[in-house]
Order: sequence, then structure tokens, then C-alpha cells
Amino acid sequence: GAVVSQHPSRVICKSGTSVKIECRSLDFQATTMFWYRQFPKKSLMLMATSNEGSKATYEQGVEKDKFLINHASLTLSTLTVTSAHPEDSSFYICSASVQGGYEQYFGPGTRLTVT
Amino acid sequence: SQKIEQNSEALNIQEGKTATLTCNYTNYSPAYLQWYRQDPGRGPVFLLLIRENEKEKRKERLKVTFDTTLKQSLFHITASQPADSATYLCALCEDTGRRALTFGSGTRLQVQP
Repeated sequence: GAVVSQHPSRVICKSGTSVKIECRSLDFQATTMFWYRQFPKKSLMLMATSNEGSKATYEQGVEKDKFLINHASLTLSTLTVTSAHPEDSSFYICSASVQGGYEQYFGPGTRLTVT
Repeated sequence: SQKIEQNSEALNIQEGKTATLTCNYTNYSPAYLQWYRQDPGRGPVFLLLIRENEKEKRKERLKVTFDTTLKQSLFHITASQPADSATYLCALCEDTGRRALTFGSGTRLQVQP
């Protein structure tokens, strides 16, 4: 139980284009989803928290117009990296939690490379 | 400034021994602390949660302690196995409403057969 999927697992895009990453909870309803990015050999940095049907809450320093988050249903959240640049290349990981639950169930991550 | 430090970047131990990993924090008041395992190129997997009013938690070969006076959590794996080799992350949460986690940088554990 508590499986979270991400799609795509890897994506390479050209500078200036936009990329959408999907995060799905497969066997549970995720009232809250979180988006992180991780640089090589570094820890996870929380980008934003989203609750189903509400606007996402972004962490300080994360541009909300650049990283668009939509949490339209209890099983799906999307992160769109708009006008991607090489410095946006990173490992993006989502997680989900159930209402009242404190554990976060992580997806397998998406490796984004911007050329 | 706020910091979460995990004792070492890497830890090598012999199979069968107990691995002890440390997580120290500064200028946080966590309501709870969690430990996760992360394998290369994968997302973290939840292992244990310990609340601020708890001293110790156990799950099979895993044990976590939490000392809010020392501002430290210790994570133990007893009878370690090569399959335990991974990076272990501690994460703390101050806001139980938002449940956002702040992660340490992790300790890479290598268990030698």
C-alpha cells in the first residue's frame, strides 16, 4: 500500500521550454502533496506544499510563477517547470500524505536535464 | 541560523554489527522527527517517526532515540546486513498542521559482508 508514482522518470528538454511532471497516489487519497528537489549528494529541499483544491504554499526563494503546481484531485498533483534553464536541472521528487498522517510516501523521482 | 547535521557523510561497518547514525539540529523546535532510507536514484522510504515527548521507538532491527535537551536523534540498525546499505536521512517537522519536513543531508551507510 501507499504507492506514489511519478511520470516521467527522466526528461531532457531544451532551454526555454516547459516541462510537466506528474505525481500520482495509486492506492490512497492524498490530501497533501509535497514537491522537493535534490541536487547530487545533497539533501531534499522542500519547494512547495499543496492541498487538494487549494493553491500551493511555496517555500521562501521558490518562484511560484516558474514552478507551477496544480493539485486538482486527491490522487494527482503536477509540477510544471516553465521556461526551463540549465540551472533547473535536478532530481524532482514528490511525496504524499493522508489526512491526519505524518509519514510521507515518496515517488521515485524525475531526473530533469535542461540543455 | 537553523541547521540539521548528520554525523558523517559515510559510515562503513561490518555485517552483524550495530550501525549508529546521528542527527543533530540547531534552532529548531521539532514536534516530531522522522528517519528515511534512500537508495541511489530513488525517492526516500519512510522508516520511523518519533515525537517530541517520546524517548525511544523500535521497529524490528531499527531503534530511534530522541533527546530534545541535546537536540539530537540517534538511529540504530542492529545485526546489520549488506542489504541495509543505503543513505539514511533524518527529517524534522515543526508545524504539525502543514507537516512540511526539513531534511538533513544524509549519511551513506555501507555494510561490508
